[in-house]
Amino acid sequence: QKEVEQDPGPLSVPEGAIVSLNCTYSNSAFQYFMWYRQYSRKGPELLMYTYSSGNKEDGRFTAQVDKSSKYISLFIRDSQPSDSATYLCAMISDDYKLSFGAGTTVTVRA
Amino acid sequence: NAGVMQNPRHLVRRRGQEARLRCSPMKGHSHVYWYRQLPEEGLKFMVYLQKENIIDESGMPKERFSAEFPKEGPSILRIQQVVRGDSAAYFCASSRQTNTGELFFGEGSRLTVL
Repeated sequence: QKEVEQDPGPLSVPEGAIVSLNCTYSNSAFQYFMWYRQYSRKGPELLMYTYSSGNKEDGRFTAQVDKSSKYISLFIRDSQPSDSATYLCAMISDDYKLSFGAGTTVTVRA
Repeated sequence: NAGVMQNPRHLVRRRGQEARLRCSPMKGHSHVYWYRQLPEEGLKFMVYLQKENIIDESGMPKERFSAEFPKEGPSILRIQQVVRGDSAAYFCASSRQTNTGELFFGEGSRLTVL
């Protein structure tokens, strides 16, 4: 079993729809939870960062962490074609090694 | 305010040759990490370095792979005697602090082994 599970998709939605992404994990020591966005042939860029359980909102993006269920989510409201990318969840315990999900490829159709 | 700079962006090597990938961290960042990304897989940790020190190389194969971050100059990931299985995207990341997961990634170096 992988430490971080993420459905690779692909996910295709019409412009304006809500995109819902999620990951599950097995290591209860994870404390910091991140979502990275990676455009094709580019490096990952940090999108959202959450410490422990709870919600965090930044513009059209909302990240949720439920440590009791070992489940994290990312929601993108009013999706735009420019949101088309691969979204990687990542998490870390008290060391420096990020554990990544495989990434979900999202396409927003104009 | 330059980000993490990696070069070359693309590298083609024949089996048995050496590949040398370079990474300059963001200004003010003293922590450098190398990750490898294979198609359809997430990024896998390889090595964590600070200036002149390898902190953790547990994710790096024991044979043929080495990394350094000298006092002056970029960090270098070196792969000797490359094999086809080494074909991947290699990403360097840097951070100001450690243990928080806030990494800034470069554009990656894509190695193709013929």
